[in-house]
Amino acid sequence: SYVVTQPPSVSVAPGKTARITCGGNNIGAIGVHWYQQKPGQAPVLVIYNDRDRPSGIPERISGSNSGNTATLTISRVEAEDEADYYCQVWDTDSDHQGVFGGGTKLTVL
Amino acid sequence: EVQLVESGGGLIQPGGSLRLSCAASGFNVITSYMSWVRQAPGKGLEWVSVIYNSGNVYYGDSVRGRFTISRDKSKNTLYLQMDSLRAEDTAVYYCARDTSAAGYFDTWGQGTLVTVSS
Repeated sequence: SYVVTQPPSVSVAPGKTARITCGGNNIGAIGVHWYQQKPGQAPVLVIYNDRDRPSGIPERISGSNSGNTATLTISRVEAEDEADYYCQVWDTDSDHQGVFGGGTKLTVL
Repeated sequence: EVQLVESGGGLIQPGGSLRLSCAASGFNVITSYMSWVRQAPGKGLEWVSVIYNSGNVYYGDSVRGRFTISRDKSKNTLYLQMDSLRAEDTAVYYCARDTSAAGYFDTWGQGTLVTVSS
């Protein structure tokens, strides 16, 4: 089955830009989705189909996807952005399965 | 308002069975793609199973043959029947909706904790 890989942690100072990557074989050819999860809460969709934002998600959060890497970018990072972030794809080649990355802990310094 | 509310979690011995429920409001589960996703304590998200609006079902490798996903139109509820439970099935179980059938989850429940232990 398809495998996606994320760095375990990313640290960034407030006001700077955070980039969280999601790697997979030719991942640019499939849609990538991103979730934010804060402690004790359910995940929240922040980016779908590589770059689209659900209503209520700030424009500071954006996504891109090309080649073997998808990227979640958070500009002008705020303390409230500290959370775990997961990328996710839908694998229909081998079977119909959802596939999550291992998650990235974003720490705001 | 679209809402999902899970129930049915608890402490169960290894080898036992448990059925989780996910009550939906604001939409019909029968016309939606609905999934179960779990999260072991301190770990990441793991997709478990999906039921399409067509009724087709699919499972993750770790639960195939032990878990069964289903739905009840009259109760507008999604279920996950879990048999032959193992310690590694211990997790918070979330139900999630894929509104556009595009493979992402835009609505999540609050989760229900399943603990498999003797």
